[in-house]
Amino acid sequence: DAGVIQSPRHEVTEMGQEVTLRCKPISGHDYLFWYRQTMMRGLELLIYFNNNVPIDDSGMPEDRFSAKMPNASFSTLKIQPSEPRDSAVYFCASSSHRTGGETQYFGPGTRLLVL
Amino acid sequence: KQEVTQIPAALSVPEGENLVLNCSFTDSAIYNLQWFRQDPGKGLTSLLLIQSSQREQTSGRLNASLDKSSGRSTLYIAASQPGDSATYLCAVRMVTGGGNKLTFGTGTQLKVEL
Repeated sequence: DAGVIQSPRHEVTEMGQEVTLRCKPISGHDYLFWYRQTMMRGLELLIYFNNNVPIDDSGMPEDRFSAKMPNASFSTLKIQPSEPRDSAVYFCASSSHRTGGETQYFGPGTRLLVL
Repeated sequence: KQEVTQIPAALSVPEGENLVLNCSFTDSAIYNLQWFRQDPGKGLTSLLLIQSSQREQTSGRLNASLDKSSGRSTLYIAASQPGDSATYLCAVRMVTGGGNKLTFGTGTQLKVEL
């Protein structure tokens, strides 16, 4: 398996622009997680899905952030409009509880810089 | 609110040394605790997962222990190698109210020198 795939790997944009981050989880995994990592706040969970349904979005910082999972193999995290304080590394992770495993498998991350 | 702390924030050791990384958490009602490794510019890789009913888990040169009542976990690395250089994070999952959410510590940046 190719693991969790994220795109783009790097994104540089200007304040006010819309940013869309993409994630393809490991095939067969039923949980998908979006995290944000910064030096100041460390690694924070933004939202997670179970069977394509958002379960907990309490970590989403504000209405400018939205996430969707239209099917089991694809999710997006959108920031509109983007602000410089959104600059961070955004990770997607997936896991499967059907086989009893709870380990989360992380993608390589998207490094976002908002100017 | 669960808070996870890791000490030290950074550690530099010579190759071959045995070392211990520490993780503490404020709420002992955890479901499990995991240790992850993060290489620069990369995502996280799970190393060990300890269920709340377990005391320790081992994988190769790594041994993780859990003392739930005192809110502590340690990651022991035997005979450290330069390839062990990375940031190590611990994360806890709560029994209730957290679903499958993980709360991460701030990490310990380890450098193993030749």
